[in-house]
Amino acid sequence: KAGVTQTPRYLIKTRGQQVTLSCSPISGHRSVSWYQQTPGQGLQFLFEYFSETQRNKGNFPGRFSGRQFSNSRSEMNVSTLELGDSALYLCASSVSMNTEAFFGQGTRLTVV
Amino acid sequence: QKEVEQNSGPLSVPEGAIASLNCTYSDRVSQSFFWYRQYSGKSPELIMSIYSNGDKEDGRFTAQLNKASQYVSLLIRDSQPSDSATYLCAVTQAGTALIFGKGTTLSVSS
Repeated sequence: KAGVTQTPRYLIKTRGQQVTLSCSPISGHRSVSWYQQTPGQGLQFLFEYFSETQRNKGNFPGRFSGRQFSNSRSEMNVSTLELGDSALYLCASSVSMNTEAFFGQGTRLTVV
Repeated sequence: QKEVEQNSGPLSVPEGAIASLNCTYSDRVSQSFFWYRQYSGKSPELIMSIYSNGDKEDGRFTAQLNKASQYVSLLIRDSQPSDSATYLCAVTQAGTALIFGKGTTLSVSS
C-alpha cells in the first residue's frame, strides 16, 4: 500500500512569489492535515480537511490556504512568500479525523 | 490555547537501558494520544497510539496514559543506538486537529 506522497520534495522560491504544494493521501484515507515544521517552533498545525471541507485551521495568516479534492488529494498554497516561510511542510493522512495519522516525506521550502 | 509539553532534552541513556519520555497536556477532554519518532532530516513516524488509561505495550515500547494527571509517557526498553531520534507526543480530541509537543531528543550511546 503506497504511503502519503508529497510533491515537490524541495522548492526554492523568491520573496513575494507564491507556491503550491501537493499531497496524495494513503488510499482510503479521507482526512488530510498540513503542518509547518521549523527548528524553533516544532510542528505547527496549519489546517485539516475531511471530505473536501476544512474542518480545523491553525493560527496562520490568510496567505496560507488549502483545499481538498473529491479524491482526497490536497493542496496548500502560500502567497506573497516571506523569508520566515522557509520550513519543512508536512502532510499527514488518516482514515478519518482523530485517528492515527501518517506523514508524507515533506516538502522543504526555502525562500530567498 | 491547547498545549502539549515535553522536555526538549537531550535525554542520554546507555545502550540496553530503559529510556523514559514524558508528555503533559493542558486540555482535560483530550481523548487520543500518539507517539511519533522523527529521525534527523526525516518525517515523523507513528510508533504508538493510546486511548485509555493504563499501559499499552508493543515490542520494546510501552505507552502509559494517566488522564487524571494529564500525563502520557513512552518507555523504550533495551534502548539501541538506532532509537536515537526526536520523539514527538501528539494529542487530540473529537473534532480537533492533532496538536504536537516540540519533542524530546533521545541519544543512546553504545
